[in-house]
This record gives sequence, C-alpha cells and structure tokens, in this order.
Amino acid sequence: DVKVTQSSRYLVKRTGEKVFLECVQDMDHENMFWYRQDPGLGLRLIYFSYDVKMKEKGDIPEGYSVSREKKERFSLILESASTNQTSMYLCASEQAGNQPQHFGDGTRLSIL
Amino acid sequence: GQQLNQSPQSMFIQEGEDVSMNCTSSSIFNTWLWYKQDPGEGPVLLIALYKAGELTSNGRLTAQFGITRKDSFLNISASIPSDVGIYFCAGQRGTGGFKTIFGAGTRLFVKA
Repeated sequence: DVKVTQSSRYLVKRTGEKVFLECVQDMDHENMFWYRQDPGLGLRLIYFSYDVKMKEKGDIPEGYSVSREKKERFSLILESASTNQTSMYLCASEQAGNQPQHFGDGTRLSIL
Repeated sequence: GQQLNQSPQSMFIQEGEDVSMNCTSSSIFNTWLWYKQDPGEGPVLLIALYKAGELTSNGRLTAQFGITRKDSFLNISASIPSDVGIYFCAGQRGTGGFKTIFGAGTRLFVKA
C-alpha cells in the first residue's frame, strides 16, 4: 500500500513565524502535491512537483514556497505565517502516467 | 478555469438507504476518481475509472464513467453509519497530477 506521511497532525504557530510542513512518500512516486482544504472551498492546489528540485505553482501559491531535495520528500514552507493561513493542509503523491493521487492524513495548522 | 460540479453538496439519509451522487463537467476527462474523507483524515481512494462507460464496484460502492467522458456517478447501497464523511470526485485530463481537478465534495450524514 502507498504510504504518504505528514510529519504533524496538529500544529499551532504564531503570526510571523516561518513554518515547515513535511511530507514523505514511500512508493518512489514522481509527482507530489500540497493542497489546502477550507470549508466550502474544497481542495485548492498550492504547489506541486514532478521531479526532484522541480516545482510548479498551483492555484494559490502566494505566501508559500516548497522544497524537493529528495524524491520521497516534499516540504511546504510558510515564509511568514499569517492568520489567513490557518487551514487543513494535505500532501499527496502520484505515480506519473494518469495514476490516482494518494493523500496523507493532513496537518491541521492554526496560526494565532 | 476548469470546474467539476459535484452534487449534492450534502445529504442526510437513514441507515439502510441507497445513496447517489454525481459529478459533471464541460470538459472531457480521461480518468475519473472517487475519494472518501473521514473527519480529521486525508482523502482515501475508493474507485478509479479509466474507460468511458466503465462500471466498477468496490463492495457496496458502484461508480460509472459517463459515456460522454464529462460525468461520473457514485452509488452507495444499504448505507451504514461508517459511510459518514465527505466524498470527492476528481477528473484527470492526461498524464501528470497537475491536470487533476477535484469536485467540492458531497458531505454524507447517516442516521442510525
């Protein structure tokens, strides 16, 4: 079974802090994604990566950056956290070639 | 941009009832996916559909890939309390997950 592991289930940070969300997958997938999920807005794509050191902006990249130094790990970075970034963050990975995405359990992030 | 229209937004049903939900789009997709998200968890893949007209079952769940390639439905038979959650459809246009579009979700409530 595919395993996508997000480092924290719950996280509380303060406004202005730099926040790192980590995601690791164990299936050698090429593609990895970060989404945020908010009530009534569904899943919104922040960034994705289709290879090591490659990244592409999704629909809502502002205020975020990402890092993919190794194939199995995709990190989401909030450069200076703000209260409007309080949300559920979901990481997903996918084998290239029209395959389904597999999700982690999510990180519920609160910015105070 | 591309959108998936998923309906209904929410459903309140009695245990034992059958459930039907669907997704439509103005665009053609090569793959349709159905996910379920339990409260506080990440979405889990239920069914993947790869061919127009394909009808696939997974236990009490049945999903179909519409002939026009622009729609899909998910049926749940004889619902039980653990069916509670959010059901997402997703369409993929081609290779690469950045072409995956998610519906807004159908929130299912089951009364015992």
